[in-house]
Amino acid sequence: DVKVTQSSRYLVKRTGEKVFLECVQDMDHENMFWYRQDPGLGLRLIYFSYDVKMKEKGDIPEGYSVSREKKERFSLILESASTNQTSMYLCASSHGRQHTGELFFGEGSRLTVL
Amino acid sequence: AQSVTQLDSQVPVFEEAPVELRCNYSSSVSVYLFWYVQYPNQGLQLLLKYLSGSTLVESINGFEAEFNKSQTSFHLRKPSVHISDTAEYFCAVSVGTNAGKSTFGDGTTLTVKP
Repeated sequence: DVKVTQSSRYLVKRTGEKVFLECVQDMDHENMFWYRQDPGLGLRLIYFSYDVKMKEKGDIPEGYSVSREKKERFSLILESASTNQTSMYLCASSHGRQHTGELFFGEGSRLTVL
Repeated sequence: AQSVTQLDSQVPVFEEAPVELRCNYSSSVSVYLFWYVQYPNQGLQLLLKYLSGSTLVESINGFEAEFNKSQTSFHLRKPSVHISDTAEYFCAVSVGTNAGKSTFGDGTTLTVKP
């Protein structure tokens, strides 16, 4: 069964801490994405990557960075967590740039920043 | 740029009643259309998709959606809902030239009551 795995389902961090959210996919997908989900706001794209060591900003990149050193792994980094980054974070992957864009999601990581 | 509007944020219905979740989109180019479902405390999973061909698409659990190009809509319907259909539903669009990047609506919470 194909899978996108997020390393942590629930995290609690303090303001100012550095936070790493890890995502691994086993489908050999070229594209990987990080979304943020908040009630009433749907899914908002933070960063995405079309290839190893490549990244592009999404709609809300401020306060975040990403790393893609291997094709199967895409990490989201909060350099200095703030309370307004409390949210559900969803990782997704899809086939190459000319494909349909169907997304495969992980289970989500719920981050609380105190 | 594309945009997606889900016209209802919450839809309460009784078990075995029919339901329609409405989705309108805007785009200057041809799009692929998706409905994703999110059950409580889980990630999103694909419910159904329109890529080309027949404008009526169906899922394995009784949902269907119809692509209406003239009205730029992709409404989701089910003739008889079950308690287990309680979830949040997201409409999304992507375009072929940048297919990895999808735009989501804000979501519709379907609550099925006994």
